[in-house]
Amino acid sequence: GESVGLHLPTLSVQEGDNSIINCAYSNSASDYFIWYKQESGKGPQFIIDIRSNMDKRQGQRVTVLLNKTVKHLSLQIAATQPGDSAVYFCAETGGMYSGGGADGLTFGKGTHLIIQP
Amino acid sequence: KAGVTQTPRYLIKTRGQQVTLSCSPISGHRSVSWYQQTPGQGLQFLFEYFSETQRNKGNFPGRFSGRQFSNSRSEMNVSTLELGDSALYLCASSPGTGGGYTFGSGTRLTVV
Repeated sequence: GESVGLHLPTLSVQEGDNSIINCAYSNSASDYFIWYKQESGKGPQFIIDIRSNMDKRQGQRVTVLLNKTVKHLSLQIAATQPGDSAVYFCAETGGMYSGGGADGLTFGKGTHLIIQP
Repeated sequence: KAGVTQTPRYLIKTRGQQVTLSCSPISGHRSVSWYQQTPGQGLQFLFEYFSETQRNKGNFPGRFSGRQFSNSRSEMNVSTLELGDSALYLCASSPGTGGGYTFGSGTRLTVV
């Protein structure tokens, strides 16, 4: 199962299926975007990032897509596993190319990914 | 290499008290930023320090303050605690040149 569309607080998928988590951002000046995974009782863990001069970036089982025209970011997780169960946050910031990261990260609301056996 | 260390992990304080939280960044990282996480407001940026200087500040009252030492370790202080200050406080370490943000496990503050 996969889901596309606007932000969902919860996404439930079958183990082994692909997951798509969406995020809309508001600041057109943002030039650096990150996806984080947060498990219960832990801090956010880096998954993958993308700069504004790219549309797509792939990692191990994960792909991030950036559409600057509509200010939309998505995270695709291939072959979802039980260990992928967590809350996923997108984050944006400006200053990647100027100012050196002083702006701080602006986080989305988060999507709780639930894996069904 | 060692990750980002936040102390203490848990803290219970009474309204009106003050609290100091500590963050030790990854070795070599010069930037530390702080975030507040609550169920209602999500993750919100508090402030960022680089080489002992605050470069940016989020939209929080003056009761929230911070500082950074010459070894890049940072502390944040909250004075005159309110019930609404109960939250998970996270710090993120980065080189300070953009990108590379790594979070600690946070300090869970409960105000009673």
